Amino acid sequence: AQKITQTQPGMFVQEKEAVTLDCTYDTSDPSYGLFWYKQPSSGEMIFLIYQGSYDQQNATEGRYSLNFQKARKSANLVISASQLGDSAMYFCAMRGYANSKLTFGKGITLSVRP
Amino acid sequence: DVKVTQSSRYLVKRTGEKVFLECVQDMDHENMFWYRQDPGLGLRLIYFSYDVKMKEKGDIPEGYSVSREKKERFSLILESASTNQTSMYLCASSFNRGSNTQYFGPGTRLTVL
Repeated sequence: AQKITQTQPGMFVQEKEAVTLDCTYDTSDPSYGLFWYKQPSSGEMIFLIYQGSYDQQNATEGRYSLNFQKARKSANLVISASQLGDSAMYFCAMRGYANSKLTFGKGITLSVRP
Repeated sequence: DVKVTQSSRYLVKRTGEKVFLECVQDMDHENMFWYRQDPGLGLRLIYFSYDVKMKEKGDIPEGYSVSREKKERFSLILESASTNQTSMYLCASSFNRGSNTQYFGPGTRLTVL
């Protein structure tokens, strides 16, 4: 079974500053994938970034980077230079070996202050 | 461009009614998924399908069924709606089993009175 844990309460960050959203996971699969999705108030889920468990380097996509620490089973999302449009709920998710099912965490609300 | 559409953004039904939620994707994706989202619980997988006429139970299938008669369409059915099925329902699709990315529809907020 897979489990994703997101325990931070609502997060606040000042515009243009960086912020880290925490995610820890648990799985017995030898190979897995980790994802972050963004959900604005409009409701749609937007894919942000993906990290494979055997990837040598941490994933980056524009202002998003994933701080992957395999030994600690953590996959934190780092957003650099926060923008007002980054205010949303953020979900960490994982996919196990050889399947497409995603297990989601409970999400973290991020508010960017001007 | 990737597109997943859901038949309604908002739906209000009464207890005991049969409810159909429709999802259509135009990307020729093999996999389709239905989730429900509740505050404090995140997204939970109800059912998914790897191919036409195939379906598999997710984590919370009780009270739901699905239908996939065509590759592009995946329907979620509430045979007899109950108030505890009031929720946001999200449909997603992905290219195939090895695909890294699921693409989501805009969601249907269902209220059962």
